[in-house]
Formats: sequence, C-alpha cells, structure tokens
Amino acid sequence: DVKVTQSSRYLVKRTGEKVFLECVQDMDHENMFWYRQDPGLGLRLIYFSYDVKMKEKGDIPEGYSVSREKKERFSLILESASTNQTSMYLCASSFPGTGGGRRGVYEQYFGPGTRLTVT
Amino acid sequence: RKEVEQDPGPFNVPEGATVAFNCTYSNSASQSFFWYRQDCRKEPKLLMSVYSSGNEDGRFTAQLNRASQYISLLIRDSKLSDSATYLCVVNPVAQAGTALIFGKGTTLSVSS
Repeated sequence: DVKVTQSSRYLVKRTGEKVFLECVQDMDHENMFWYRQDPGLGLRLIYFSYDVKMKEKGDIPEGYSVSREKKERFSLILESASTNQTSMYLCASSFPGTGGGRRGVYEQYFGPGTRLTVT
Repeated sequence: RKEVEQDPGPFNVPEGATVAFNCTYSNSASQSFFWYRQDCRKEPKLLMSVYSSGNEDGRFTAQLNRASQYISLLIRDSKLSDSATYLCVVNPVAQAGTALIFGKGTTLSVSS
C-alpha cells in the first residue's frame, strides 16, 4: 500500500515563527503536492513538485516556500507564520500520469494532514 | 472563475436511497476525471476514476458527459458508511507535472 506520512498531526506555533512541515512518501512517486484545506474553501494548491529540486507555484503560494532535495521528501516552509495560515495542511503524491491500471492515472495519495494553529 | 463546481449539499437521505451528485468543469480540454471521498477529519481518498464510457463499481456509478462538461456520481442502496464529502476532481491536461483541480465537495449524510 502507498504510504504518505506527515511529520505532525497537530502543531501550534506563534506568529512570526518559521515552520517546517515534512512529507515523506514510500512509493517512488515523481509528483508531490502541498494543499491547505479550509471550511468552505475546499482544497487549495500551494506548491507542487514533479521532480527533485523542481517546484511549481500553485494557486496560493504567498507566504510559503518548499524544498525537494530527495525524491521521497517534500517540505513546506512558512517563513514567518501568521494567524491566517492556521489551517489543515495536506500533502499528496502521485505518479506522473504515464501509467494506467484499474485505478486510473494521476491518482493522488494523501497524507493524514497536519492541523496547524498559529497564535 | 470556478473551474470545478459542485453543489455543496448537504444531501440528507435515508438508508437504502439512491442519490446522485453532479459536477461541472470549465476547461473543455480536461483529460481525466475522478471522484474522491473524504471522511470527517480524514484525508481524501480515490473513490473511482470516471471514464468516457461510464463505469460502475458495486453500488457506485460514474458518468462523464464531455459535450456538457459534467460528471456525475450515482450511489445506489445508500449505507450509513457512505456518509462523507465527495470531491469531484479534474485533470486539465494529460501530461506529467500538472496538478489536479478539486471541487469543494458535496456532503452526504445517510441516516437510519
């Protein structure tokens, strides 16, 4: 089974702190993604990466940066946490979409999420 | 501009009912389509892919109408365990390095 793990389930940080959220996948997926999910707003893409050291901005990259030094690990960094970054953060990974199979291409596997509270 | 639109619900149905959700997408060049399920306080998980010819998985049937740019999910004989949020998901292009677009979800509540 694919496994995507995130470093923390719950995190409480103070305004202005630098915050690191780590995500690790064990299926050799090329693609990795960071989302945040807020009530009424759904899943919003922050950044994604389709290869080591490659990154692409998503819909809401402001206030965030990412790092992908190894294929299995994708880190989300909040340079200076603010209260409006209080949210559920979800990491996901996928193959690059050249495959097929019963479950189709581009299936994303999600980690359990990190509930971040910034006070 | 809403790329993937769903009725947020909630849909409240009794056990055994048949319920259908629709979803519309704006990009006519979209290549692949999915329904994901998200339980309360859990991560989204793939429920099923949606193929042009339509596909069925047990009590679940997914349909795609490219001409009208909508996707549907039909759940027959609803179970209590079907209570969840159902996310309509679209891949706008068929190539590596692109991100899926998620709808905001439709909430289903099945009661006994």
